[in-house]
Amino acid sequence: GAVVSQHPSWVICKSGTSVKIECRSLDFQATTMFWYRQFPKQSLMLMATSNEGSKATYEQGVEKDKFLINHASLTLSTLTVTSAHPEDSSFYICSARERRGTGNTIYFGEGSWLTVV
Amino acid sequence: DAKTTQPPSMDCAEGRAANLPCNHSTISGNEYVYWYRQIHSQGPQYIIHGLKNNETNEMASLIITEDRKSSTLILPHATLRDTAVYYCIVREDFGNEKLTFGTGTRLTIIP
Repeated sequence: GAVVSQHPSWVICKSGTSVKIECRSLDFQATTMFWYRQFPKQSLMLMATSNEGSKATYEQGVEKDKFLINHASLTLSTLTVTSAHPEDSSFYICSARERRGTGNTIYFGEGSWLTVV
Repeated sequence: DAKTTQPPSMDCAEGRAANLPCNHSTISGNEYVYWYRQIHSQGPQYIIHGLKNNETNEMASLIITEDRKSSTLILPHATLRDTAVYYCIVREDFGNEKLTFGTGTRLTIIP
């Protein structure tokens, strides 16, 4: 299957600082990428849908000014957690949609652990 | 609203076939059934998807009932590495339709 890579795999930051997570589609072009957040022992929760060259669409309850998403190219989307607080500590996962023929499968990155201290 | 219903947990003996059920009684005609799994502390892994015909790949088989209201994911020879949370998701296969995750089934493979 297609490969989606996230960086960094884990990061620790101080409260009040910002941290950026990158999501790359390595062997295909992704016009659409999705960002999820997962707390321990819970399912994945969609945060936003990122379309290349346009503004992201955020899910209800997700602060767009706090979670900045940029999808500047067909292979890269970034999520920046601004003014991070301990409650933002979570597992952040991106995914990218591969369009192949009539198929439309979504592949996920390895995830990024964020710990805010 | 949950579009799929799965048992919260299942056990399966190593080497046996693992059969994971999923109910999707409100599935619409243009929605596919997707299966993903998530091994602890990793991103979800795509397994298989189908519309109405049974599907098989190197990882698993997907059996969809004729009325499409339920399906079963089959792992033919389960190994310890198949221990994971398995998610059944229905989704349209075009446009920007997102994947919405439910609670899934926690499958434990027992030695």
